[in-house]
Amino acid sequence: DGGITQSPKYLFRKEGQNVTLSCEQNLNHDAMYWYRQDPGQGLRLIYYSQIVNDFQKGDIAEGYSVSREKKESFPLTVTSAQKNPTAFYLCASSMEVIYDNEQFFGPGTRLTVL
Amino acid sequence: DAKTTQPPSMDCAEGRAANLPCNHSTISGNEYVYWYRQIHSQGPQYIIHGLKNNETNEMASLIITEDRKSSTLILPHATLRDTAVYYCIVRVLYNFNKFYFGSGTKLNVKP
Repeated sequence: DGGITQSPKYLFRKEGQNVTLSCEQNLNHDAMYWYRQDPGQGLRLIYYSQIVNDFQKGDIAEGYSVSREKKESFPLTVTSAQKNPTAFYLCASSMEVIYDNEQFFGPGTRLTVL
Repeated sequence: DAKTTQPPSMDCAEGRAANLPCNHSTISGNEYVYWYRQIHSQGPQYIIHGLKNNETNEMASLIITEDRKSSTLILPHATLRDTAVYYCIVRVLYNFNKFYFGSGTKLNVKP
């Protein structure tokens, strides 16, 4: 089955620790995205990548880092510099070359920092 | 960036049509209107999108006003499984493929 996988579904970390969230897609999509969602709110864009080895900051990139070494993978690291890391994190992907294309979302990772 | 305005919540009886409105008065001529929905604690799911003409697929219909300043998503026969938050999004062309999600409308389908 084609799709986007995120792991783990639930993640707990102690304050001050860095943590990396996994995102893998087998849709052969060029573009990938990371969003953050807080309770009762919409999604906010953290980082996005249009091609391998390139990525751009979204609206709330501070305290986060990403890499895009492979087309299929776009891991997100939540660093200790992120002041309020507890949230629901969503990864998405889309075709780059098709103009009016849609984004496909993974199931999300719920991160809780204790 | 074009912004969207949606009511925070709506109720709909099971089996009836659900009509979800969205205002996007600052939309530019080449910007598309997209609709997604998110069931609790899951990733958003694509529903439909359009530019000027009305669109229909197996999930829903999208009605866009002639001046493109507003649109309505129609779920023709709502079921309990349609209970979700529905997001109306205007795609920003000059920031390639970035989608801006607002707070959406929580649709409550009741038996």
